[in-house]
Amino acid sequence: EAQVTQNPRYLITVTGKKLTVTCSQNMNHEYMSWYRQDPGLGLRQIYYSMNVEVTDKGDVPEGYKVSRKEKRNFPLILESPSPNQTSLYFCASSWYRAGADTQYFGPGTRLTVL
Amino acid sequence: KNEVEQSPQNLTAQEGEFITINCSYSVGISALHWLQQHPGGGIVSLFMLSSGKKKHGRLIATINIQEKHSSLHITASHPRDSAVYICAVSAGSYYGGSQGNLIFGKGTKLSVKP
Repeated sequence: EAQVTQNPRYLITVTGKKLTVTCSQNMNHEYMSWYRQDPGLGLRQIYYSMNVEVTDKGDVPEGYKVSRKEKRNFPLILESPSPNQTSLYFCASSWYRAGADTQYFGPGTRLTVL
Repeated sequence: KNEVEQSPQNLTAQEGEFITINCSYSVGISALHWLQQHPGGGIVSLFMLSSGKKKHGRLIATINIQEKHSSLHITASHPRDSAVYICAVSAGSYYGGSQGNLIFGKGTKLSVKP
């Protein structure tokens, strides 16, 4: 089954404790992206990747890191999480860049930083 | 002013009603997407369009490039259509220029009562 998976689905952590949210797709897509969704603000892009070893900042990259060492995986790293990073996070992938292709979304990761 | 505006923000309908959700945008775009977010949080892409009209089952999406406006219609609405519907646009040229990353509206929450 074609899908985008994220882990963990739910995470409660404390300020400053490094964490990684994994994202994996099995469709051989070149484009992958991370979004966060907050009430009243909608979805906002954090980082995206056009292909292996190619990543770039989205609209709200501060406090996040990403890597794309393999085509299928695009982990999101929070080196020192803070409460303002409490949010619902989505990973997405597509064959081509987001604007020109149907996006496939992961199930979401609900992160709470205390 | 937001670059993508949706109306209404909230919509309650009776089962069987014809529903229209509107999306206006202020930038030049290469494509417009309609997404559906279920109460459980998952996001599914419904349509991607750059001109005209698309239909899938009871859902119809239209776009008027000159007026910078798109509508999502649901015919014979059903309680299972209850969800948040999100409009997103890709600013810039389809073939080059910007990376075509998505700019999201804040969503329209639809509730269909039996």
